[in-house]
Amino acid sequence: ETGVTQTPRHLVMGMTNKKSLKCEQHLGHNAMYWYKQSAKKPLELMFVYNFKEQTENNSVPSRFSPECPNSSHLFLHLHTLQPEDSALYLCASSQVGSHSGTDTQYFGPGTRLTVL
Amino acid sequence: GQNIDQPTEMTATEGAIVQINCTYQTSGFNGLFWYQQHAGEAPTFLSYNVLDGLEEKGRFSSFLSRSKGYSYLLLKELQMKDSASYLCAVTDSNYQLIWGAGTKLIIKP
Repeated sequence: ETGVTQTPRHLVMGMTNKKSLKCEQHLGHNAMYWYKQSAKKPLELMFVYNFKEQTENNSVPSRFSPECPNSSHLFLHLHTLQPEDSALYLCASSQVGSHSGTDTQYFGPGTRLTVL
Repeated sequence: GQNIDQPTEMTATEGAIVQINCTYQTSGFNGLFWYQQHAGEAPTFLSYNVLDGLEEKGRFSSFLSRSKGYSYLLLKELQMKDSASYLCAVTDSNYQLIWGAGTKLIIKP
């Protein structure tokens, strides 16, 4: 149990659907992250929120829309996705200090997304 | 550009020792992480190195040489449950985590 939960664990959607991924962290952290993990590729950082404010958006297509209503919850809204968006979507959280390199990230189990 | 290199796949025998290497080229360095990820599960934190040398934690040890841009994860007394992917990640000068693609470790009886 890492203290970070994600729902749903699996999602199959068509290209015209709209769905949302949910992440919740129970660790009291102040930063949350969305990653995309594709087979045999490095983790791709999508979005970062520090203290509920988005601090990074790594050139992610607008069909992915994040929302962070508070420091414990993070959503990823999906619409008009493409088959190449099929991947494992991981949420993580960390306690961001004053530029400390030891801001260890703790991950949720991920949502396995398949776009048909 | 920034890059983390680690072998794609390794095979080892139960009870043996295996060393997984990681080399990095990043803009600055503020620490190196190793994570373990079982298939279909979350990556879990294993170790953190920021100074040169060896950090030992039970059966797992992690080594860092900053001058060589090199780290390794050493797993001793391998068990079947150690079959997993091992991810190397480096924090750069902007405190961004740069990830390797992971090494899939297969343990055979």
